[in-house]
Amino acid sequence: KAGVTQTPRYLIKTRGQQVTLSCSPISGHRSVSWYQQTPGQGLQFLFEYFSETQRNKGNFPGRFSGRQFSNSRSEMNVSTLELGDSALYLCASSLSPNYGYTFGSGTRLTVV
Amino acid sequence: GQNIDQPTEMTATEGAIVQINCTYQTSGFNGLFWYQQHAGEAPTFLSYNVLDGLEEKGRFSSFLSRSKGYSYLLLKELQMKDSASYLCAPWGYNKLIFGAGTRLAVHP
Repeated sequence: KAGVTQTPRYLIKTRGQQVTLSCSPISGHRSVSWYQQTPGQGLQFLFEYFSETQRNKGNFPGRFSGRQFSNSRSEMNVSTLELGDSALYLCASSLSPNYGYTFGSGTRLTVV
Repeated sequence: GQNIDQPTEMTATEGAIVQINCTYQTSGFNGLFWYQQHAGEAPTFLSYNVLDGLEEKGRFSSFLSRSKGYSYLLLKELQMKDSASYLCAPWGYNKLIFGAGTRLAVHP
């Protein structure tokens, strides 16, 4: 079966711009989480959605937002990009915690 | 915040056994995950402990003590392909909190 699909794989943006990243979970998975990975901070939790509702949010500024659609696909948006937003953004979907969270290959965002 | 401590780096020999420890503050967590991440790739699920005790899955085993905030991942019969980062991630409130990871290097 298809895994978690993230698009695009790579993105280069300029400071001040905004960006939207997309995640399609494994079919049947209703929980979608987003993480930011950087060499300095490691993997940090951004937010989690279940049935179109945000259930939890990490300690990121309001410039980071997300949403989930009725088909469980999710998007995250970062507005007013800063150089420090350069990172690998990973999406993970889950049927339930007992089965683990499956990660997508990520979107590598570079802000110049 | 929740401090999660695991060794930064470990080395081991092919065929040997290695144990990677993880300690964390217990408040707010219901279970613990271990993930493997090869350089440039996404993390892959290894194990999930929701109860205290040992869970065995092939060459990999994971132990959890929720009251002590302690877990370990045991890798047996090490292979070269096991060279990767191993991430300890306590779970609670529908989120994973990842440690910085342990980089394991397996030598012939």
